[in-house]
Amino acid sequence: GIQVEQSPPDLILQEGANSTLRCNFSDSVNNLQWFHQNPWGQLINLFYIPSGTKQNGRLSATTVATERYSLLYISSSQTTDSGVYFCAVGRGSEKLVFGKGTKLTVNP
Amino acid sequence: DTEVTQTPKHLVMGMTNKKSLKCEQHMGHRAMYWYKQKAKKPPELMFVYSYEKLSINESVPSRFSPECPNSSLLNLHLHALQPEDSALYLCASSQASGVTVYGYTFGSGTRLTVV
Repeated sequence: GIQVEQSPPDLILQEGANSTLRCNFSDSVNNLQWFHQNPWGQLINLFYIPSGTKQNGRLSATTVATERYSLLYISSSQTTDSGVYFCAVGRGSEKLVFGKGTKLTVNP
Repeated sequence: DTEVTQTPKHLVMGMTNKKSLKCEQHMGHRAMYWYKQKAKKPPELMFVYSYEKLSINESVPSRFSPECPNSSLLNLHLHALQPEDSALYLCASSQASGVTVYGYTFGSGTRLTVV
């Protein structure tokens, strides 16, 4: 099955800093999503981005499908950005495979 | 309505109990999912329903029994669970068009403790 690798596993930032999270995957996909899980367990869908670039406020994402990676950019980080960021990939109607996540801590 | 609603939020049950988890969405999504998440791990897929039919069962033990009564509702019936089944149970839904599946919307989960 598809392998998904996220880096870094842990990231600690000061409020206001920028960061880049990476997701590598082992095979072609037509479904790629980024999620943020807050400390209470709620999973929020940030982007559905099988290819191309999208932006939503301080967050943006780029997926280069031909090179099998995706990047999530967080600018001017805030303490509320803390939590775990998951990348998940899939093909067609096959199951979505989650990476192990990047745990982000933003300190005030 | 852009939400997936899960009830209850917390559940404590004994190993001989029977309980059910409920998930509801009114976004017109035709694919619905149950995931199990243990602490500090990513969500693991349990079941997928597509157009109210079970399409994926990830070799889940029979003590977990899913049900999709209609396109808006998904249940997970629990019976004779073990303490190791304690976890966060997440429901999700997505639009589906043929073999193409779109972005998932997750509910806030049910935190289950088996005693």
